[in-house]
Amino acid sequence: DAKTTQPPSMDCAEGRAANLPCNHSTISGNEYVYWYRQIHSQGPQYIIHGLKNNETNEMASLIITEDRKSSTLILPHATLRDTAVYYCIVINNYQLIWGAGTKLIIKP
Amino acid sequence: KAGVTQTPRYLIKTRGQQVTLSCSPISGHRSVSWYQQTPGQGLQFLFEYFSETQRNKGNFPGRFSGRQFSNSRSEMNVSTLELGDSALYLCASSLSWGVNTEAFFGQGTRLTVV
Repeated sequence: DAKTTQPPSMDCAEGRAANLPCNHSTISGNEYVYWYRQIHSQGPQYIIHGLKNNETNEMASLIITEDRKSSTLILPHATLRDTAVYYCIVINNYQLIWGAGTKLIIKP
Repeated sequence: KAGVTQTPRYLIKTRGQQVTLSCSPISGHRSVSWYQQTPGQGLQFLFEYFSETQRNKGNFPGRFSGRQFSNSRSEMNVSTLELGDSALYLCASSLSWGVNTEAFFGQGTRLTVV
């Protein structure tokens, strides 16, 4: 199963772009990369997903390297409400394989 | 459009008892997955159902079971509760849990075993 590696924590100033890296060097060709976030033990919230092309939606942008071994989630203008644990995950055999995530703290 | 609904939100049970948790997916979603979240182990996959069929199961003992009804609602059951079963149980629904669909989570049921 593909696994992901993320830094355990990051800080970002309010109003700045938050760039969250993820390593998934063992990902296979047909596995998508998903990003979710979890705010204070609520249910995880879907953010974005992609296969090999960069993706953008109203919440974030996802940049995937050409070799697909890593990706970066970008929150363009972080707010205090973006403080959460961010998970970079892949799906395999109908299940999401979760790592430990990155605790992102947005500072005023 | 209503989201994923899990009931109850909080539950306190005694060791040895059994418990049933319920999940109502988003209307039209046919796939329901269950996850257990604990501080020590993080999020762990329990099982996934699609059209009343279990398609995958995580590495949990047989005390953990689930089912899905024809209206896509799902239940999970834990028998002979242990203290270590205390956790946040999360349910996720999706249209058809394949490789290019997102899953939406409920708020979870927090189970405390005493």
